[in-house]
Amino acid sequence: DVKVTQSSRYLVKRTGEKVFLECVQDMDHENMFWYRQDPGLGLRLIYFSYDVKMKEKGDIPEGYSVSREKKERFSLILESASTNQTSMYLCASSLGTVISGANVLTFGAGSRLTVL
Amino acid sequence: LAKTTQPISMDSYEGQEVNITCSHNNIATNDYITWYQQFPSQGPRFIIQGYKTKVTNEVASLFIPADRKSSTLSLPRVSLSDTAVYYCLGVTGRRALTFGSGTRLQVQP
Repeated sequence: DVKVTQSSRYLVKRTGEKVFLECVQDMDHENMFWYRQDPGLGLRLIYFSYDVKMKEKGDIPEGYSVSREKKERFSLILESASTNQTSMYLCASSLGTVISGANVLTFGAGSRLTVL
Repeated sequence: LAKTTQPISMDSYEGQEVNITCSHNNIATNDYITWYQQFPSQGPRFIIQGYKTKVTNEVASLFIPADRKSSTLSLPRVSLSDTAVYYCLGVTGRRALTFGSGTRLQVQP
């Protein structure tokens, strides 16, 4: 089975701190994604990447950046954390071709970030 | 990007069949329709995917009419453990879509 591992399950940070959320997948997937999930708002796409060093903005990229130096690792960076970034962050990956089944997303367990 | 619309919530009882419909009026020609299930404090997990007509696996069935503007996830004989949020979206290759708010299914004894 594909495994998507998020480095931290729970984090507590202070306003203004720089925060790194790490995500690693072990099945050589091309695509990787970062979502945030808030009550009543479903999952919202922050950034995604379909190749090393490539990134695309999702629906809510403001206040975030990403890094993909290696195919298996996709990092989400909060340059200066704010309280409105308190949320559950979910990383996902997919194989990335147009073949049926190849575009299924596999999610990590999530990282719950609290910004005080 | 295809926008999806689902009911916010549904209630059912154990043993009943549950059908959740999703509207996706502007789905792209290459998009596959995919459904996910999410339990509290977990990431969504894949349930079923299809392009047209009917797809069935050990968990659910997916019905997609010829115009592909909607799809229906069918869960046969639900149990308490099927209480979750269900999301539909259309996905093609390298693109990714923002999930909608999903449908919160509550199964009661």
